[in-house]
Amino acid sequence: AQSVTQLDSHVSVSEGTPVLLRCNYSSSYSPSLFWYVQHPNKGLQLLLKYTSAATLVKGINGFEAEFKKSETSFHLTKPSAHMSDAAEYFCVVSALNTDKLIFGTGTRLQVFP
Amino acid sequence: GAVVSQHPSRVICKSGTSVKIECRSLDFQATTMFWYRQFPKQSLMLMATSNEGSKATYEQGVEKDKFLINHASLTLSTLTVTSAHPEDSSFYICSARFAGEWGRETQYFGPGTRLLVL
Repeated sequence: AQSVTQLDSHVSVSEGTPVLLRCNYSSSYSPSLFWYVQHPNKGLQLLLKYTSAATLVKGINGFEAEFKKSETSFHLTKPSAHMSDAAEYFCVVSALNTDKLIFGTGTRLQVFP
Repeated sequence: GAVVSQHPSRVICKSGTSVKIECRSLDFQATTMFWYRQFPKQSLMLMATSNEGSKATYEQGVEKDKFLINHASLTLSTLTVTSAHPEDSSFYICSARFAGEWGRETQYFGPGTRLLVL
């Protein structure tokens, strides 16, 4: 079965410093992987997705993620955090041959001035 | 971009009453819509998959008679929480997928509906 594990429930960074949100996946096939962001009282927004094309995926708002099969990882990064990046981030995998998305437990990103 | 709306954004109701939540795809047709539930500080749990013109498929442990789903058109799905009880209080989120989109996995999410049952 497919699953994702988000290794940190909370991450705190200072504004202007790099962001790293970690995600490991488990899948018996080449998965489709996503990162979604959820701001308070707003809907989930797709940041980026990996679908077996380039392993380095660039998303919106300066985020990117790298698919590493050898490490079964799909970590989300951003070179310089902004206050507006404070939110909940979900790593998501698409289940094989179904429409279902399987969500990780989420990582809350705090950005300090 | 693809926009999905939900109505109402929040609702408070008395125990025993029923509540209907609407999910609309505003600028695209969605053959498939999904309903999720999110408890405070937790992840999203898929409740059911709704296909236009057919019965919804419920996840294990979700009572289909409790959570009635109707997907009558390509732009509208509704979730009705019947005889709501305080334990049904939660954040309900819908999502929609493009009809015929290449890379079918991408879902576009609504802003959610916060239900509080007193």
